[in-house]
Amino acid sequence: NFLLTQPHSVSESPGKTVTISCTGSSGSIASNYVQWYQQRPGSAPTTVIYEDSQRPSGVPDRFSGSIDSSSNSASLTISGLKTEDEADYYCQSYDSSNLWVFGGGTRLTVL
Amino acid sequence: QVTLRESGPALVKPTQTLTLTCTFSGFSLSTRGMCVSWIRQPPGKALEWLALIDWDDDKYYNTSLKTRLTISKDTSKTQVVLSMTNMDPVDTAIYYCARMVRGFLFDVWGKGTTVTVSS
Repeated sequence: NFLLTQPHSVSESPGKTVTISCTGSSGSIASNYVQWYQQRPGSAPTTVIYEDSQRPSGVPDRFSGSIDSSSNSASLTISGLKTEDEADYYCQSYDSSNLWVFGGGTRLTVL
Repeated sequence: QVTLRESGPALVKPTQTLTLTCTFSGFSLSTRGMCVSWIRQPPGKALEWLALIDWDDDKYYNTSLKTRLTISKDTSKTQVVLSMTNMDPVDTAIYYCARMVRGFLFDVWGKGTTVTVSS
């Protein structure tokens, strides 16, 4: 089974920068696009990054995404942290065997 | 404006079949590239992709749940229905429907519907 592994939780102070990783268990993570979704408590997920590094309109440029083929990982970086960024973040990609796959999610706490 | 809304029973008994409906507007499921998917989230746990139907009526299922799931769309193509058989308490979750575009992006989600499996 293809898995996307994320840290369970990360925390950082307002104004700082945080990076959340998403590591593919097999194959090349660069072979298929990675998306990132933000989910605030009690709400449905919304897209913050698609196609590895693209931001939907309305998402501030404090959010950025990247791929590191050497570690088979995708990363979501949020700079200038705000308390409103506190949420769960999920990476998502595609695998030919398991089709559409989500990571286990990362709880971001902005202290 | 694209919207999706899930509906269905809030409570089902173990072994029963769950039927959920996703009613959508703002796009046509007949348009090439359009897809609707079901995704669930057990309490305090991660998102899990369940099933997807595309504009050409092709259907795709989570391999772990494939034998229990059926996805379909109605002839007017504004509703997508998911059936899950033999429900168990571990299937207790929020069930979301979402539009998928470009083959990989769940760009618009419904608010979700909570399903509890209990006798």
